[in-house]
Formats: sequence, C-alpha cells, structure tokens
Amino acid sequence: QVQLQESGPGLVNPSETLSLTCTVSGGSISSGSFYWSWIRQSAGKGLEYIGRIYTSGSTNYNPSLKSRVAISMDTSENQFSLKLSSVTAADTAVYYCARGILEMGVTGIYFDYWGQGTLVTVSS
Amino acid sequence: QSVLTQPPSVSGAPGQRVTISCTGSNSNIGAGYDVHWYQQLPGTAPKLLIYGNTNRPSGVPDRFSGSKSGTSASLAITGLHSEDEADYYCLSHDSSLNGNYVFGGGTKVTVL
Repeated sequence: QVQLQESGPGLVNPSETLSLTCTVSGGSISSGSFYWSWIRQSAGKGLEYIGRIYTSGSTNYNPSLKSRVAISMDTSENQFSLKLSSVTAADTAVYYCARGILEMGVTGIYFDYWGQGTLVTVSS
Repeated sequence: QSVLTQPPSVSGAPGQRVTISCTGSNSNIGAGYDVHWYQQLPGTAPKLLIYGNTNRPSGVPDRFSGSKSGTSASLAITGLHSEDEADYYCLSHDSSLNGNYVFGGGTKVTVL
C-alpha cells in the first residue's frame, strides 16, 4: 500500500519561498510510470493542480503558477519536493502530495493516492 | 470560476438517487479527455471514487457510478447513505491550458 506524507513549515512570510516535502512509502518513486504531484486546496479556489514530476524527472507545471514553482525529487530519500516562491496570502492553502497515474485506455492522469495534506499559512 | 462547472449542492433522502453534473468544454471533456471523480469527507484528503469516466477502484461501492456524454459528465449515487454526505469533485485534463489538469468547483451532497 502506497502512502504519502507531507512535511514542512506551516507558516511562511509573504514574499518568501514555501518549501514542502512529500515522503513516499510502500513503493519507490523512481520505478514504475507515475507522476508525483502537488495539489492545493484553498477556501476561495477549491482544488488546484500545481504540478508534477515524472519518474524520469521531467516536470509539468500549472501555467498560472509556472513562474514561481519548482518540483524536484530525491530518489535516495524516496521523496519529492515543492518550492513556491514569492508567496502571498493567496497561496494560503492545504497542500496535498499525490501519485498520478496514466493508465492504458484512460486519457489523462488521475490521482490515486494522496497524502493527508498540510496547511500552509502565508502571513507575517 | 472553475473550468469545470458543478452545482454547489445537491441533497436527497436516505435511499434516494442523486446525480452531480460536471460541465466542461471542447478543450477538456468534449475533446475526449476522461473524467475522474473524488469524494472528500470533512477534514480528509480527496478519495478516488471513479476513474476513466466509469471505472470504480477496488473497495468503492457499486452505488457510485459515472457517465460521460459530449462536454459533460455525471456522478450518480443510488441508495443514498448518511455516510455519503461529503464534497464531490470532478477532474479532467484541459488541452488549452498547456497540459494542465483542472478540477470542478465541488458539490456538497447533503443527506436529509
């Protein structure tokens, strides 16, 4: 059973960089064909896809966040990470990491395993 | 305003059937991209309910079913249970947004 767990600061100052890590257990992030992803949920905007990193290391980001987002992976720790720069109050949300899967016969990725989520508040 | 439009709320009595619509456009659902559905109980992460328009993951009751036609998709819950009271979200891919994935705004299901 794959499990994901987010970790990182719950409070970030405006204009600084939000950094979160997702630790995966029950499977290796460097094997298989999976898209290790970040999704956030705020009261004002619902669920929002942030971006993903493929098993090979290639990335894809939400165009609305692309200039501020970077997702990376550390295969030795079986973790992947999110960095979101120049944050404002609008970035306050619950951040989820999730496993994306592209299955034969299905067009488009869906997210089958999710972490429990971590609340990040942007405030001074 | 979400790219995929869902009704804010639906309600039904125990045992009844409710449906939730997810309306998109020719750049997402209408372009042939599949729709996936999630259930979110209060204070928890979304849980995959339906993938590829109609498929249920192992463990999801067959009371939940999905369909897709044209630029819309629907989630049906038959034989409504009190534990089905939750928020429900649809998800699809949008080709006009450079490979982006988009969620519906969510629908709150209330069991009367």
